[in-house]
Amino acid sequence: GAVVSQHPSRVICKSGTSVKIECRSLDFQATTMFWYRQFPKKSLMLMATSNEGSKATYEQGVEKDKFLINHASLTLSTLTVTSAHPEDSSFYICSASQVEREEETQYFGPGTRLLVL
Amino acid sequence: AQTVTQSQPEMSVQEAETVTLSCTYDTSENNYYLFWYKQPPSRQMILVIRQEAYKQQNATENRFSVNFQKAAKSFSLKISDSQLGDTAMYFCAFIPTSGTYKYIFGTGTRLKVLA
Repeated sequence: GAVVSQHPSRVICKSGTSVKIECRSLDFQATTMFWYRQFPKKSLMLMATSNEGSKATYEQGVEKDKFLINHASLTLSTLTVTSAHPEDSSFYICSASQVEREEETQYFGPGTRLLVL
Repeated sequence: AQTVTQSQPEMSVQEAETVTLSCTYDTSENNYYLFWYKQPPSRQMILVIRQEAYKQQNATENRFSVNFQKAAKSFSLKISDSQLGDTAMYFCAFIPTSGTYKYIFGTGTRLKVLA
């Protein structure tokens, strides 16, 4: 199946700094990528939809200036958490959409654990 | 509003036994896809099985099968011959075929397979 990678897998940073998380589709081109946030023992919460070459679409309640998304190519999307605070600590997961025979499937990255001190 | 409900927060099953996880959803769409994803302790989301709403035949993938009841808006997952490696969180998800292909996830069922 299709493979999606995320880097880094975990990061610890100081409050006030910015953190960039990369999401790559390794063996397919993804015109659409998605960013999720998952709290402990909870479901995935969609943060934004990222389309190659255009601005991301953010879900209600997600600050676009706080969570900057760039989808520069068909295989790479980045999420930058700006001026991170302890409440931003979470597990962030990306997914990339692949269309085969007119059927769309999302493949998920392994996630990035962010801890803000 | 479109919603996905998983009414079983936790379940357990003996190794080699069969277990069924329930999922119901609410939508006014006629065409959509349904999925079951597995999230083991590594937290990597893994696609287990998918079902197209226009297909009446229930999807199967080796030991995993679904019971799709479109009229009842029910989409349960049956795991046969449960293995220790099946221990994970299982999420039911829905995507309408129209629109932006955004997943709507259920709250998950934590399954523990007992030796």
